[in-house]
Amino acid sequence: EAGVVQSPRYKIIEKKQPVAFWCNPISGHNTLYWYRQNLGQGPELLIRYENEEAVDDSQLPKDRFSAERLKGVDSTLKIQPAELGDSAVYLCASSLPGGHTEAFFGQGTRLTVV
Amino acid sequence: DQQVKQNSPSLSVQEGRISILNCDYTNSMFDYFLWYKKYPAEGPTFLISISSIKDKNEDGRFTVFLNKSAKHLSLHIVPSQPGDSAVYFCAARSNRDDKIIFGKGTRLHILP
Repeated sequence: EAGVVQSPRYKIIEKKQPVAFWCNPISGHNTLYWYRQNLGQGPELLIRYENEEAVDDSQLPKDRFSAERLKGVDSTLKIQPAELGDSAVYLCASSLPGGHTEAFFGQGTRLTVV
Repeated sequence: DQQVKQNSPSLSVQEGRISILNCDYTNSMFDYFLWYKKYPAEGPTFLISISSIKDKNEDGRFTVFLNKSAKHLSLHIVPSQPGDSAVYFCAARSNRDDKIIFGKGTRLHILP
């Protein structure tokens, strides 16, 4: 069974440019998460979807970040415009619904803003 | 305000000995706890979990202990092997909103 797939693996952009990340979760996983991990820190939740509905986006900087999960499967996370402080690893994860299940992570996208 | 705390940034353990990684939490709504392992350039990999109704869960060389009254959990790895060298993240989940909160991680070095 395929795991969570993310692309691209690496992205280098200049500040003020837009960037987008893509995630394909594990088949059948209704819950999808986007996390950001800064160097030396743990993953921090940006947004959580239940199917196509964003049920928790309280940590998403909405002035420049946006996300969508059309049809409740694949998801994209966009930053426009990017700032130097956005350099981080962006992780996508998915899980089955319900409280006592683990989330499975993709390999992440390492973003460098120069 | 960190809800999940891993106060040891790093830990070195001799191969064959026991590794003990600690984690504290503050939110009493957490009722499910997870440990993830992360190698460089890879995403976190689920390792073991424990429900708040239990105080111990064991899976091979890995055992997680939960002390609810102290809001503390620990991961024991015995015997430690070279491949265990990685960053370990403690995470907690609340049944109220399914949010998973991570600690900052502990880097484990297994020494030959």
